[in-house]
Amino acid sequence: QQPVQSPQAVILREGEDAVINCSSSKALYSVHWYRQKHGEAPVFLMILLKGGEQKGHEKISASFNEKKQQSSLYLTASQLSYSGTYFCGTENTGNQFYFGTGTSLTVIP
Amino acid sequence: NAGVTQTPKFQVLKTGQSMTLQCAQDMNHNSMYWYRQDPGMGLRLIYYSASEGTTDKGEVPNGYNVSRLNKREFSLRLESAAPSQTSVYFCASSARLVVGNYGYTFGSGTRLTVV
Repeated sequence: QQPVQSPQAVILREGEDAVINCSSSKALYSVHWYRQKHGEAPVFLMILLKGGEQKGHEKISASFNEKKQQSSLYLTASQLSYSGTYFCGTENTGNQFYFGTGTSLTVIP
Repeated sequence: NAGVTQTPKFQVLKTGQSMTLQCAQDMNHNSMYWYRQDPGMGLRLIYYSASEGTTDKGEVPNGYNVSRLNKREFSLRLESAAPSQTSVYFCASSARLVVGNYGYTFGSGTRLTVV
């Protein structure tokens, strides 16, 4: 039930781009994305509903492919402040919600 | 603009002791949740409350009990703490249970160590 995220960890230099993937074995109604900085609570970034829409938040955007039961988070021109662990959360059509295991993102100067 | 407030922030318990984690939200949200976070396992749902007066088990409810005291407050109780309950606990709230358009707002977390 828990969605699978890839990669588990990524290290970037400032200005580089990254993609984080989230994949579910169940049909999905929505996908959430959260960012958690070390020692802090997760912070909500965005929700995508089924329909394949793409959303953006500053230089962070995401897509949702409901047929493939996948979502991807795109971070462009990464900044030091983007460092943290990114979690997807998936709500399936049975109204069950699960968080992924997270992707650790480190941006270095 | 407090959002979700959790207390305490840190706690050390001896095996067998009991304690209650407190959570309160001021956003008039209907649904509240307790999650635990362990390294490499993400966030796992312990219990949730869809609305005032209702509570239900999540993925990992064993060893815990909850009380939805009113619309604002949702507490988590460990009756007899075990080392396996060493974790970071997060309370969260959302406008409605079927999350749909509504994201979660998390509290700052309680770091619990059971020795």
